[in-house]
Amino acid sequence: AQRVTQPEKLLSVFKGAPVELKCNYSYSGSPELFWYVQYSRQRLQLLLRHISRESIKGFTADLNKGETSFHLKKPFAQEEDSAMYYCALATGGGNKLTFGTGTQLKVEL
Amino acid sequence: GAVVSQHPSRVICKSGTSVKIECRSLDFQATTMFWYRQFPKKSLMLMATSNEGSKATYEQGVEKDKFLINHASLTLSTLTVTSAHPEDSSFYICSASRGLAQETQYFGPGTRLLVL
Repeated sequence: AQRVTQPEKLLSVFKGAPVELKCNYSYSGSPELFWYVQYSRQRLQLLLRHISRESIKGFTADLNKGETSFHLKKPFAQEEDSAMYYCALATGGGNKLTFGTGTQLKVEL
Repeated sequence: GAVVSQHPSRVICKSGTSVKIECRSLDFQATTMFWYRQFPKKSLMLMATSNEGSKATYEQGVEKDKFLINHASLTLSTLTVTSAHPEDSSFYICSASRGLAQETQYFGPGTRLLVL
């Protein structure tokens, strides 16, 4: 069965510092991975997906099949990045999502 | 575009009653809708996948007679928690997609259910 692991429940960084939110997955098929973000009092929304290979709000994530990882990175954290971040793995033809437990990112001034 | 709404946003009910939660795609046709349950400080757990006009597919461990899902149109899916008990208290979130391969899911704001 597929699984997504986010080892950190809380990550606290100072503004301007680099950020790396860890995500590891376990899946026997070809993985399709996403990062979703939930800002305070807002709904879950897509941040980025690995097949797009794009940078959104300064965030990037590279799929590393050898390490089965999809870590989310940003070189310089901003206060508005404070949110809950979920890593998710799509299976079942790309439509069924398995979520990690989430990492709360707190950017301090 | 791609807005999903849920109603109600919060509901309190007595044990033994049934509660219906609506999920609507406001500006697109959602061939597929998903229902998730989120426990405090836990991840989202997929409960079921519903495709318009067909029966929902439930995840292992989810009671289909307890959580009735109807997806009668391309813009509306409903989740009915039947004979609710306090352990059903949770945050229920729906998402919708056009059903295309690799299609993004768009999430609703969630419904907080409290069963007394």
